[in-house]
Amino acid sequence: HLQLQESGPGLVKTSETLSITCTVSGGSIRNNSYNWGWIRQPPGRGLEWIGSIYYTGTTYFNPSLKSRVTISLDTSKSQVSLRLSSVTAADTAVYYCARDEVLTGLFDYWGQGTLATVSS
Amino acid sequence: QVVLTQSPSASASLGASVKLTCTLSIGHSRYAIAWHQQQPEKGPRFLMKFNSDGSHTKGAGISDRFSGSSSGAERYLTISSLQSDDEADYYCQTWGTGIRVFGGGTKLTVL
Repeated sequence: HLQLQESGPGLVKTSETLSITCTVSGGSIRNNSYNWGWIRQPPGRGLEWIGSIYYTGTTYFNPSLKSRVTISLDTSKSQVSLRLSSVTAADTAVYYCARDEVLTGLFDYWGQGTLATVSS
Repeated sequence: QVVLTQSPSASASLGASVKLTCTLSIGHSRYAIAWHQQQPEKGPRFLMKFNSDGSHTKGAGISDRFSGSSSGAERYLTISSLQSDDEADYYCQTWGTGIRVFGGGTKLTVL
């Protein structure tokens, strides 16, 4: 059964780059029916899609974050990575990875999330 | 760009039913949506996909107490026989080519 597990630094300094990794188990990251997505949730607020990546490396981004986001895959490690540059306090959030169906765009499996706090 | 609108809060009594609403923006009334549940301090869980023609697909292990319906640009999630662990935030989600969109979420309180 598919499992997604995020891991990250917990605390990041203002203006630096946030890096988070999602490890996928119980299923292939190379499955051509799925993208792998990143979603975040600031404390007490709703969900915001960050971007998604297909196993070929094709990426899709939220236009509001596109200039600061990099998403990549390491198929040998079954990992999806997120990098968010020039972070501010507004980037403090729980970051989730999720499986994203290519044909529909819905997220059908979610990780438990990892909190990233931006502080000077 | 498509926008999803949800009421911020809803409440209903234990054992009763509740109907949550997600409204698609003008010009997007035929979009399919997905519903996700987020219990306190947990990650979201996919509940179901609901198409404008009324067809739907549920996530693995989702109870029959959860059902979907629609009318025009509105998509509904009905939860029957409410239980205490149904108290959660509920998000609708939709998609287009290269884009994914979430509604603001509805916080359901079970009285």
